[in-house]
Amino acid sequence: QSVLTQPPSVSGAPGQRVTISCTGSTSNFGAGFDVHWYQQLPGAAPKLLIYGNNNRPSGVPDRFSGSKSGTSASLAITGLQAEDEADYYCQSYDNDLSGVIFGGGTKLTVL
Amino acid sequence: QLQLQESGPGLVKPSQSLTLTCSVSGGSISSGGKSWTWIRQPRGKGLEWIGYIYKGGRAFYNPSLKSRVSMSVDGSKNQFSLEMTSVTDADTAVYYCATNAVSGTDVWIALWGQGLMVTVSS
Repeated sequence: QSVLTQPPSVSGAPGQRVTISCTGSTSNFGAGFDVHWYQQLPGAAPKLLIYGNNNRPSGVPDRFSGSKSGTSASLAITGLQAEDEADYYCQSYDNDLSGVIFGGGTKLTVL
Repeated sequence: QLQLQESGPGLVKPSQSLTLTCSVSGGSISSGGKSWTWIRQPRGKGLEWIGYIYKGGRAFYNPSLKSRVSMSVDGSKNQFSLEMTSVTDADTAVYYCATNAVSGTDVWIALWGQGLMVTVSS
């Protein structure tokens, strides 16, 4: 069971907006640690999508955005495209575990 | 452009040790304040952080794996390695090497290798 909780799956039609939640606790998000997001396309390695809550690495479209408030975080994808179909993982650091933690992952299906 | 490539055995027998190596190209493993990470993913499951190591050798491990894992850095070969002892079938996974970015106390995975499938089986 992951320390960060994500919904197993979300879906949306092309052009729509979807959000993926990531729920933490007082020992990670609540302690001030940031959330980071990764996209894993089928058969590929994960790729950094969002770092430091809401920053996009070069090359990531501005359709992807992140936020964090209290012990929760979310990833929003607007203008959904077929190529966005992938698994998405949130990640942070946990004081109690003294290490890097991941969410269980969310599979995004584009209808 | 920094690139990472995992290498090692694709098949390991139960109770044996597993050693994986990550070769870094396009940059020096000893430059800046970079740290180097291992992460694994059982087939069809989520990501599990194994640990990370700084160029000077200081390492941090997942508490659940700490007793079986050690990491090292070889600056002369521009490589870093993972050794895991007493493997079981629960260690069957794709193993990724990666490099971290750090800001204050926050750590995230900036760049991933392509991954190496390791199967534990007799």
